[in-house]
Amino acid sequence: DAGVTQSPTHLIKTRGQHVTLRCSPISGHKSVSWYQQVLGQGPQFIFQYYEKEERGRGNFPDRFSARQFPNYSSELNVNALLLGDSALYLCASSWTGYNEQFFGPGTRLTVL
Amino acid sequence: EDQVTQSPEALRLQEGESSSLNCSYTVSGLRGLFWYRQDPGKGPEFLFTLYSAGEEKEKERLKATLTKKESFLHITAPKPEDSATYLCAVVGTGNQFYFGTGTSLTVIP
Repeated sequence: DAGVTQSPTHLIKTRGQHVTLRCSPISGHKSVSWYQQVLGQGPQFIFQYYEKEERGRGNFPDRFSARQFPNYSSELNVNALLLGDSALYLCASSWTGYNEQFFGPGTRLTVL
Repeated sequence: EDQVTQSPEALRLQEGESSSLNCSYTVSGLRGLFWYRQDPGKGPEFLFTLYSAGEEKEKERLKATLTKKESFLHITAPKPEDSATYLCAVVGTGNQFYFGTGTSLTVIP
């Protein structure tokens, strides 16, 4: 079975630009969560979606938004990019959102 | 506030030298504690879920245990391929996963 997939793998943007990251969950999983991980830190929670509804939001500015589609795939959008947004963005899927989450390989975003 | 603290930050072991990693947590209404392994530049790989104090899980050279305040990941006779960062996370009634900063393990042949 395919695991969680994310695209693109790497992305380079300049300050002020907009970016869209995509995630496809494991088949059957209805919950998708997004995390930001900077070097040397653990993943920081950004959003969780379950059955296309936002279930939780971490302490991130409104420049960050997300949505989940009827096929349970998800997009993370970041507007007005800042240098500090450079990080590994991780998507994780799970059955309910409360049980174990399975992570994709991540998207490495570099903001210049 | 829910939080997770992992120690030590880094650990160097000789091959075959057993040790333990610690994860201390505070959370409202623990729903689960999770251990992950992360290799550089990759997404975390799920290892274990623990739900209640006293629970233990084992997989190959790894064993995870849980008390009401902390969890331990015991590594028995580690091999160089066990070198990675080990992450601990908790989820409580707030439904949000909180991760620690991880323990970077290096196993020297």
